Amino acid sequence: SYELTQPPSVSVSPGQTAKITCSGDALPKQYGYWYQQKPGQAPVLVIYKDSERPSGIPERFSGSSSGTTVTLTISGVQAEDEADYYCQSVDSSGPYVLFGGGTKLTVL
Amino acid sequence: QVTLKESGPVLVEPTETLTLTCTVSGVSLTYARMGVSWIRQPPGKALEWVAHIFSNDEESYSPSLKNRLTISKDTSKSQVVLTMTNMDPADTGTYYCAQIDDTSGWSEVWFDPWGQGTLVTVSS
Repeated sequence: SYELTQPPSVSVSPGQTAKITCSGDALPKQYGYWYQQKPGQAPVLVIYKDSERPSGIPERFSGSSSGTTVTLTISGVQAEDEADYYCQSVDSSGPYVLFGGGTKLTVL
Repeated sequence: QVTLKESGPVLVEPTETLTLTCTVSGVSLTYARMGVSWIRQPPGKALEWVAHIFSNDEESYSPSLKNRLTISKDTSKSQVVLTMTNMDPADTGTYYCAQIDDTSGWSEVWFDPWGQGTLVTVSS
């Protein structure tokens, strides 16, 4: 079975660019998805199919994919972007859904 | 606008069976692209996919939980029901339901929107 690996934490100053990676052998075969979760709230989809942005999500959120890694990039980070971010994909061998362990983004 | 709302017991005793209901508004469960999934989150920990049911009634379960789970839907009530048997304190957490657009089946699976979640505590 596959796993998705994320760094536990990323820190960035306001206005800077944050990059959060997600690695796993499932990713070359399946799309990656990203969710933002603020304390006490349900997750919100911010990127789907590697790089598509849902309506209502700010343009500073973008996604990319290369080999076994998908990356969430937040350009011009704002204080309101401080949250946990989770990647998600599908293990085709199951098939079943995979989530990464989550990355806490801290805005300094 | 599609909304989902979870309901169920707040407290469950060990070995009991948990039954959670997800009530869907804004779209019919008979809609060809409407699937629903359950995802849980232990306090302070990561998200964990539990189960889902596609619009064609295909069911799928987490391999680690499969023997304890049943997912079903009642289209007349716009509800998706999850039952989990033999509850353990390790099952404590917030349980979310979320919509899947299952047009492309397993090749494109993402969750949007999510319900607000319901906290379930397993304790005697």
